[in-house]
Amino acid sequence: EPEVTQTPSHQVTQMGQEVILRCVPISNHLYFYWYRQILGQKVEFLVSFYNNEISEKSEIFDDQFSVERPDGSNFTLKIRSTKLEDSAMYFCASSGTLEFWQPQHFGDGTRLSIL
Amino acid sequence: KQEVTQIPAALSVPEGENLVLNCSFTDSAIYNLQWFRQDPGKGLTSLLLIQSSQREQTSGRLNASLDKSSGRSTLYIAASQPGDSATYLCAVNTGNQFYFGTGTSLTVIP
Repeated sequence: EPEVTQTPSHQVTQMGQEVILRCVPISNHLYFYWYRQILGQKVEFLVSFYNNEISEKSEIFDDQFSVERPDGSNFTLKIRSTKLEDSAMYFCASSGTLEFWQPQHFGDGTRLSIL
Repeated sequence: KQEVTQIPAALSVPEGENLVLNCSFTDSAIYNLQWFRQDPGKGLTSLLLIQSSQREQTSGRLNASLDKSSGRSTLYIAASQPGDSATYLCAVNTGNQFYFGTGTSLTVIP
């Protein structure tokens, strides 16, 4: 069964550094998402992406965050200048062919640790 | 703002028991609701998706119901097994954004 893959599985970065988290969504999906989960807390929506642009973003997704689909397969989340509070598990998800109300499929996540 | 609550936060049952997990949401203007399973250190596995126009969905031993007007969904697990031990999350879709509950941590005791 096709799956969403995320790399790396664990990223350790110094505070203030830029980090790029990578995701390969399921190949025929059109909708892409990033979520984060701080340890012990809820999964929180960050951003949704469709047709090469952001569809919706949450209050968390401020100017230090950006997303990109640089080619036909990858979907990336960039954090420009990391802070300690950015430490979390980041999940990528994809869904949908023509209708977005289809199940979201999640990757196993990237654990981001900011030192 | 949509708030999603799951009760109970943790549940421990003996193997073979039927159980119900609850999810409530504050804004009934949703497109669908999805139930997920999360194993420790892992991503989320989709279990069931209920569209706003549907009342329930079934997959194997799992049955999810949705009462949109009252802002409630339940996940029924029949004949629980130790392999069902995980955290169960519900998420509501309000358009392009999903709101997750805090989850119910389920332990099935052999």
